[in-house]
Amino acid sequence: DIQMTQSPSSLSASVGDRVTITCRASQSISSYLNWYQQKPGKAPKLLIYAASSLQSGVPSRFSGSGSGTDFTLTISSLQPEDFATYYCQQSYSTPGFTFGPGTKVDIK
Amino acid sequence: EVQLVETGGGLIQPGGSLRLSCAASGFTVSSNYMSWVRQAPGKGLEWVSVIYSGGSTYYADSVKGRFTISRDNSKNTLYLQMNSLRAEDTAVYYCAREYQGYYYYMDVWGKGTTVTVSS
Repeated sequence: DIQMTQSPSSLSASVGDRVTITCRASQSISSYLNWYQQKPGKAPKLLIYAASSLQSGVPSRFSGSGSGTDFTLTISSLQPEDFATYYCQQSYSTPGFTFGPGTKVDIK
Repeated sequence: EVQLVETGGGLIQPGGSLRLSCAASGFTVSSNYMSWVRQAPGKGLEWVSVIYSGGSTYYADSVKGRFTISRDNSKNTLYLQMNSLRAEDTAVYYCAREYQGYYYYMDVWGKGTTVTVSS
């Protein structure tokens, strides 16, 4: 099974900050990596698919990069509505797409 | 509008059974890969089960033999039959559509239904 790790597990940031979250897979997953945002009490929302493709309707301040085993999600200028938990997910090994443990972004 | 609405959650005793439903609108369940994902209180996301458009079904090891995923094409609805429930099955259960193109991702999610297994 492919294991996913994320770092950091949480971070505190201010509005306007540039934020980077890292995701690592236990084996190469090419670009089969997705990012989701989840706010408290809400369902996850797809932000990025295929490592770097922005889902329709997602603000351009979100971007993704990486391939193989190492990936990053970057928020170029953190906005108040971006405080949430972010999960990476591998979709290389089917069935059963493994999620990372999540990174909580809160207000400094 | 593309939408998923889950129902059927509730409080159930250990060893009991529950069936979750996920009604879809704006697209056809049977033409898509459909998954159930759960989230235990304060925890991360865990994939539970998937049914492919062709009808093949797959399960996480943690629920294999106890849960059954199915769909009713006439009702455009996805189901999760949960038997022999345990305390560790307590979670919010989400249904999600899996986009299957060159890359795969869960692009449509329901709001979730809460299952609590407790005596």
